[in-house]
Amino acid sequence: KNEVEQSPQNLTAQEGEFITINCSYSVGISALHWLQQHPGGGIVSLFMLSSGKKKHGRLIATINIQEKHSSLHITASHPRDSAVYICAVRSRETSGSRLTFGEGTQLTVNP
Amino acid sequence: EPEVTQTPSHQVTQMGQEVILRCVPISNHLYFYWYRQILGQKVEFLVSFYNNEISEKSEIFDDQFSVERPDGSNFTLKIRSTKLEDSAMYFCATSGSWLKETQYFGPGTRLLVL
Repeated sequence: KNEVEQSPQNLTAQEGEFITINCSYSVGISALHWLQQHPGGGIVSLFMLSSGKKKHGRLIATINIQEKHSSLHITASHPRDSAVYICAVRSRETSGSRLTFGEGTQLTVNP
Repeated sequence: EPEVTQTPSHQVTQMGQEVILRCVPISNHLYFYWYRQILGQKVEFLVSFYNNEISEKSEIFDDQFSVERPDGSNFTLKIRSTKLEDSAMYFCATSGSWLKETQYFGPGTRLLVL
């Protein structure tokens, strides 16, 4: 079983729709990251969170530590949001800061 | 906005050859990481580096791999004798602190071993 599971694997939406991507993890963590990977391969860090909720523009990330679950929401989605969204965790069970990654969610937003 | 840069963007090499992938971190960052992503698979941690030594490494990071910061600015990943299965995108990431800050990723180097 993967330490980090994301759902859905693929998501297609119409422009303007509200989007939710989910991440569940099985280990105790000190932080969770949401990352965006563009078609060319580059990775951009969107959020790092260890509790509660963060918002940046149309993006909102929440985390429930007790339930070991995080969600990434995109409001008023746009075709430029099309990318792979990756959840990654930093485990409390290792002393380092290595990230363990999920498989990613491929998001396609159609005009 | 400051960014992490990597060179080369693409490299094609023959099996058994040595390759060196280079990363220039954000200037005040002290913690450095290498990750790789085999085509169609998830990103995997290779190694973390601080104060001129390896802090942590994964099972993937065997004796064929090494890292160094040769001149105080570049951070390099060397693969001594490449194998076909080393073909992947290699990402450098850097952060300003060990645990409290996010990691900033470079654009990656796509390595193809023939």
